[in-house]
Amino acid sequence: GENVEQHPSTLSVQEGDSAVIKCTYSDSASNYFPWYKQELGKRPQLIIDIRSNVGEKKDQRIAVTLNKTAKHFSLHITETQPEDSAVYFCAASREKLTFGTGTRLTIIP
Amino acid sequence: DAMVIQNPRYQVTQFGKPVTLSCSQTLNHNVMYWYQQKSSQAPKLLFHYYDKDFNNEADTPDNFQSRRPNTSFCFLDIRSPGLGDAAMYLCATSRGSGRDQETQYFGPGTRLLVL
Repeated sequence: GENVEQHPSTLSVQEGDSAVIKCTYSDSASNYFPWYKQELGKRPQLIIDIRSNVGEKKDQRIAVTLNKTAKHFSLHITETQPEDSAVYFCAASREKLTFGTGTRLTIIP
Repeated sequence: DAMVIQNPRYQVTQFGKPVTLSCSQTLNHNVMYWYQQKSSQAPKLLFHYYDKDFNNEADTPDNFQSRRPNTSFCFLDIRSPGLGDAAMYLCATSRGSGRDQETQYFGPGTRLLVL
């Protein structure tokens, strides 16, 4: 089955700086890659997703890049703000989601 | 305008006492999922329904069962909860599994405490 690795497990950045979270996947047939943000005690919320026929997608301060050949994808958050502090999960999907282990992002004011 | 609703938000049960968690959706989505999420871990898929077709994950314990009586509702039954079953249980839905249909929307979760 699919295996998704996510790094780093924790990340602290100064407010206003950029944050990058990286994931690798094992199943070359996976074709859908969402990113979820989960605040403490709340539901995972989809923040951006990308499909395998696209290399990059951007939505305001958030962008995702996908390298199908290398089987890795990354989340980029620019101009970070305190409300970006949360746990972020990547996932890869062919027919069902396999989640990465999560990254706890802390924005330092 | 809640789209995926879970009740109750918090559930306390006793060791070995059966418990049922519920999920409902107003999206008319074909697929409903149940995940277990323990502290500081990723959600773990237990099973999912595509319409009425039930799909169990290979490593889901027999202690966990599910029912989907209609499109809108799905239930998670834990027959004999153990201390290790204390977790957040998340329900999610998606339109389908094909292109542009696989985005999953999560409910707020039910936090289960086993005493």
